[in-house]
Amino acid sequence: DVKVTQSSRYLVKRTGEKVFLECVQDMDHENMFWYRQDPGLGLRLIYFSYDVKMKEKGDIPEGYSVSREKKERFSLILESASTNQTSMYLCASSPTGVAGANVLTFGAGSRLTVL
Amino acid sequence: AQSVSQHNHHVILSEAASLELGCNYSYGGTVNLFWYVQYPGQHLQLLLKYFSGDPLVKGIKGFEAEFIKSKFSFNLRKPSVQWSDTAEYFCAVNARSDSWGKLQFGAGTQVVVTP
Repeated sequence: DVKVTQSSRYLVKRTGEKVFLECVQDMDHENMFWYRQDPGLGLRLIYFSYDVKMKEKGDIPEGYSVSREKKERFSLILESASTNQTSMYLCASSPTGVAGANVLTFGAGSRLTVL
Repeated sequence: AQSVSQHNHHVILSEAASLELGCNYSYGGTVNLFWYVQYPGQHLQLLLKYFSGDPLVKGIKGFEAEFIKSKFSFNLRKPSVQWSDTAEYFCAVNARSDSWGKLQFGAGTQVVVTP
């Protein structure tokens, strides 16, 4: 069974703190993604990675960075957290598919509150 | 870039009623289409997908969706809902040319089924 594990379900941080959100997948997937989920806005792509040490910006990368040192692990970093980054963060992974026909598997999410 | 529009943000209906959730996308090329569901307290999971072939696709739990290319639509349907269908439903699309499978999501529709 494909599994995507996010290390923290709930975090509370203060403005200006550095925040690390960790994600691990156990199915040897090439692609990993970070989305944020906000009411009324759906899911928006922050960053994705298609290989170790490779990363690409998504639709809303500002204020975030990522790290992928190992194939199974994809970290999202908030260098200096701000209140507008309070959100649910979802990690996902997928194999590389033919004609984009691959399915994302999501983790349970990390709910971050920035005070 | 693709965009996805879901017609309703909130839907409330009684058990045994029929459900139809609208989804339209804008993209000039060929797309893959998805519906994901998020049950309360659970992670996002795939409900059904369309890659090619029969435009009427069947998913889990009695859901189906119809791809109408001329209308850029991929509406989700269920003839008779149950209380357990209470969830948030997301329509998503990716470009067939995108081997990484980046998904563009709609804003989501919160469905509440009353007993």
